[in-house]
Amino acid sequence: QSALTQPASVSGSPGQSLTISCTGTSSDVGSFNLVSWYQQHPGKAPKLMIYEVSKRPSGVSNRFSGSKSGNTASLTISGLQAEDEAVYYCCSYTGSSTFVVFGGGTKLTVL
Amino acid sequence: QVQLQESGPGLVRPSQTLSLTCTVSGGSISSGGYYWSWIRQHPGKGLEWIGYIYYSGNTYYNPSLKSRLTISVDTSTNQFSLKLSSVTAADTAVYYCARVNYYDGSAYFDYWGQGTLVTVSS
Repeated sequence: QSALTQPASVSGSPGQSLTISCTGTSSDVGSFNLVSWYQQHPGKAPKLMIYEVSKRPSGVSNRFSGSKSGNTASLTISGLQAEDEAVYYCCSYTGSSTFVVFGGGTKLTVL
Repeated sequence: QVQLQESGPGLVRPSQTLSLTCTVSGGSISSGGYYWSWIRQHPGKGLEWIGYIYYSGNTYYNPSLKSRLTISVDTSTNQFSLKLSSVTAADTAVYYCARVNYYDGSAYFDYWGQGTLVTVSS
């Protein structure tokens, strides 16, 4: 199972919106509505931001939203804030022996 | 609030066995609907799922590590453990324990430990 494909980096100015893509295959992202997104600040553990494509855990800002079309999932962050600067990982259930597959991570820089 | 905490040696010699324990607090490891997982992150790299265990002892391992891997659970102490044998420098990574939420057919990691760096070196 190959890793999901994410852009290596994205950037935006405070207040702007941006979207991070996560492309898989018909065997993972395309087959299950079980995509999750994690935020990781330097030296910290990943934090769940989105699960089941578009659901937000309690306590996560509604500036974060998720969607999926075909084999590609997306994380959208609106009203960018300095604290959003982090690496974001997508993850998809695979239904196979590998259980889940992660993306390579996208470094978000707030200009 | 569920909390997870990894513990174990930070340095392991090549060919030896890497052993880590995750202590769960704020909730019972025997709660249904959750699996207890290990994930690692090589320095400067992405995340790799290692394996998970259910409180009953059922395990599921990443095929790439299966031959060297043992995950066990101790419900009496609310802990689960990882043993990875015959380690090499390629096993140097930050190791995280995490809870897998499996309710209603879902699958996501909702709580994570802070992570522990394990270096394989002589």
